[in-house]
Amino acid sequence: QVQLVQSGAEVKKPGASVKVSCKASGYILTDHSMHWVRQAPGQRLEWMGWIGAGNVNPKYSQKFQGRVTITSDTSASTVYMDLNSLTSEDTAVYYCARWYRGWSSFDYWGQGTQVTVPS
Amino acid sequence: QSILTQPPSASGTPGQRVTISCSGSSSNIGINVVNWYQQLPGTAPKLLMYSNSQRPSGVPDRFSGSKSGTSASLAISGLQSEDEADYYCASWDASLNGPVFGGGTQLTVL
Repeated sequence: QVQLVQSGAEVKKPGASVKVSCKASGYILTDHSMHWVRQAPGQRLEWMGWIGAGNVNPKYSQKFQGRVTITSDTSASTVYMDLNSLTSEDTAVYYCARWYRGWSSFDYWGQGTQVTVPS
Repeated sequence: QSILTQPPSASGTPGQRVTISCSGSSSNIGINVVNWYQQLPGTAPKLLMYSNSQRPSGVPDRFSGSKSGTSASLAISGLQSEDEADYYCASWDASLNGPVFGGGTQLTVL
């Protein structure tokens, strides 16, 4: 069965970077694109960017352009999200989510990774 | 930034029917399908409805979805206590070139 397992919680200082991993199993990583979505406390889900099926060039939300990098290691079936220049406003739960093209929706989600940046 | 608008809360008693609305624009719902996600407390979102009105395997037929113009709605009939959760609508946005989400509706079963 399809599973997305993310790395553990992180506490980072302002100005630092964080790298969150998302290990996929139960399917071939390059068959589907992978997206990153975050949820700050009390806020809506917010899309950050994606890496296409077949490890196609990543695309980012304009809001995070220049601060976020999404990469994948197909040999490890793992996708990574790197966010730099952290501020307290980046405190959120970060999710990876698989995009199922046939349904135009996220059919599987990781369990989430809490990233905390104390102010 | 393009967003979708949902009521922040909804409620009903067991067995009742409740409806959650989602309003968008011509750059998202007006031209793309709507999906709904259910998020139980402390867990990741789960796909509840895709392509406006399609249920993934395992989702009870008590849940139904519809879309008209730039709005969509999720209906839950025969409300059960286990339906208490946050519900988010989502649609691909042509301006963002990515998905946008509603603010979420917290459903309380009284």
